[in-house]
Amino acid sequence: DQQVKQNSPSLSVQEGRISILNCDYTNSMFDYFLWYKKYPAEGPTFLISISSIKDKNEDGRFTVFLNKSAKHLSLHIVPSQPGDSAVYFCAASFLLNSGNTPLVFGKGTRLSVIA
Amino acid sequence: KAGVTQTPRYLIKTRGQQVTLSCSPISGHRSVSWYQQTPGQGLQFLFEYFSETQRNKGNFPGRFSGRQFSNSRSEMNVSTLELGDSALYLCASSLRLNEQFFGPGTRLTVL
Repeated sequence: DQQVKQNSPSLSVQEGRISILNCDYTNSMFDYFLWYKKYPAEGPTFLISISSIKDKNEDGRFTVFLNKSAKHLSLHIVPSQPGDSAVYFCAASFLLNSGNTPLVFGKGTRLSVIA
Repeated sequence: KAGVTQTPRYLIKTRGQQVTLSCSPISGHRSVSWYQQTPGQGLQFLFEYFSETQRNKGNFPGRFSGRQFSNSRSEMNVSTLELGDSALYLCASSLRLNEQFFGPGTRLTVL
């Protein structure tokens, strides 16, 4: 049972336009969400995160939106640049008394930004 | 500050063999997690070590094991390798489990 789903395996966007990557989750206990970016032959790098007490978090060109009622989050990249071409992973966890649970990752979306 | 390092970067083994992968976390990070990434799959959590103790474990068979040393360096071992174990194995270190920094991974190929 996949608790974090990225239903679009790939996405192509023109340079300068907005890229929107989507992620759905099924476990309502998740209260912390992250996006990672991965280039080939490298490990994932942290991009941006959001806590469930917020519905938006912004960092430069990257904005993450969280809709708790729909169990949906999205990552917006504006404007998209060719260097943004990578695989993007959505991840989620929740807080126990002993600390956060391990991250649960989606399968990733491959973003291609076309010049 | 140096990042997470993993050795070796590439490894080729045959079925039935065993393999040991190594991970050195970012200095000061006491939590080390291991993930398996296979084509078409996301990152699947293997286990997490904190202060030399396994704190969390994913849904993998007992052939997959790990340990952590007093300097926070970690190793994972896979015994009796199967073709399906071919994957990218990623190590991540963190101060807090929800903010993980990944190494470049070890690409394991089982023939």
